[in-house]
Amino acid sequence: DIVMTQSPDSLAVSLGERATINCKSSQSILYRSTNKNYLAWYQQKPGQPPKLLFYWASTRASGVPDRFSGSGSGTDFTLTISSLQAEDVAVYYCHQYYYTPLTFGGGTKVEIK
Amino acid sequence: QVQLQESGPGLVKPSQTLSLTCTVSGGSISSDTYYCNWVRQAAGKGLEWIGRVYTRGSPDYNPSLQSRVIMSVDTSKNQFSLKLSSVTAADTAVYYCATDRGYGAGGGPAHFDSWGQGTLVTVSS
Repeated sequence: DIVMTQSPDSLAVSLGERATINCKSSQSILYRSTNKNYLAWYQQKPGQPPKLLFYWASTRASGVPDRFSGSGSGTDFTLTISSLQAEDVAVYYCHQYYYTPLTFGGGTKVEIK
Repeated sequence: QVQLQESGPGLVKPSQTLSLTCTVSGGSISSDTYYCNWVRQAAGKGLEWIGRVYTRGSPDYNPSLQSRVIMSVDTSKNQFSLKLSSVTAADTAVYYCATDRGYGAGGGPAHFDSWGQGTLVTVSS
């Protein structure tokens, strides 16, 4: 199985400051023939299902504010919130869909400092 | 994007079979490409992929649950279903259905662009 390791487990950031979440896969999830990384990011707020933020590592889903960005390739990926807003408080998960069983990172909880 | 709604008993006794349905609205699973993934989340824990099913082809199950899982499709009702047998307390979780459009290589898995609200299933006598 591909293991997805997120760091940190949690972080507290002041409003308006940058939040950075890392995700590392145990093997490359770059499909070379299409040059696509099979990685998605989701945001989950309490009592709600996950919401898709990014797919193919850096393609922003519809309606996602541009303060969110996704980057990385191969085995190392990053989700960045450039200016944290109160509504961004949530748990964020990375997800690889390169191989089954599909796997998720353990989640990163983002809070306001 | 389609809308998804999970339904089924909220309480299942140990050793029995958990049965859930995911009803799709806003799209046709028989004429469009929708793969249904089942994902579960125990209280305070992360996300666990259970498996993936489509109207054509064989389901793909997580090996950790494969011996107990059956997924199926009912195109006449625009529904997907999940059955998990021989449940224990460890199967207590919120169960989600989520669709992907098969954008991976050769119709392989892709990102989950629609999620149901989830349904809590508690395994207890």
